[in-house]
Amino acid sequence: QVHLVQSGAEVKKPGASVKVSCKASGYTFIIYDIHWVRQAPGQRHEWMGWINAGNGNTKYSQKFQDRVTFTRDTSSTTAYMELDNLTSEDTAVYFCVRPQSGGWFDPWGQGTLVTVSS
Amino acid sequence: IVLTQSPATLSLSPGERATLSCRASQSVYIYLAWYQQRPGQAPRLLIYDASTRATGVPARFSGSGSGTDFTLTISSLEPEDFAIYYCQQRTNWYTFGQGTKLEIK
Repeated sequence: QVHLVQSGAEVKKPGASVKVSCKASGYTFIIYDIHWVRQAPGQRHEWMGWINAGNGNTKYSQKFQDRVTFTRDTSSTTAYMELDNLTSEDTAVYFCVRPQSGGWFDPWGQGTLVTVSS
Repeated sequence: IVLTQSPATLSLSPGERATLSCRASQSVYIYLAWYQQRPGQAPRLLIYDASTRATGVPARFSGSGSGTDFTLTISSLEPEDFAIYYCQQRTNWYTFGQGTKLEIK
């Protein structure tokens, strides 16, 4: 069974960076992309981009491309999302998701709450 | 592409039929999915390609539509169905609707 398990909640100060991990299991890690989606309080889900777990190529949403970095470690089947220069507007739950064969998001990680507060 | 869901809140009783709507600002063909999200949980894929049920999703959930207008129907509500439902398109990158909260009347 496919599982994505994310790292725990984080509290950061404005201007800091955060790095969230997503440990994948139950499938061949390098075959599928990993996407990142966030949901701020009262806001729509926002797609942030993806990483090709096989070759490490990335695609970032225009909104985040200047301050987000996706990486992966194939030996530990873990993907990472690092977001820089945090502001209070980055307070959100961050999800990693693996697209199914048809391209839709299934399954999702359990989510990681990132709180940005001075 | 902007997805607009209606209504924002739907108040129904168990056993009733629920009809949720999602309208796209331009055609997404059939590339629309529906997710269910309970408080504190990740979204769960219910329907993709407008009308295909995901693995393990009960038959009471059905999707229809194409182009710009889509509908999620729950034929007879079970207690566990009361949650928030989101639509998502993947024709032009990925965007989500703002959600419909299905609450117990």
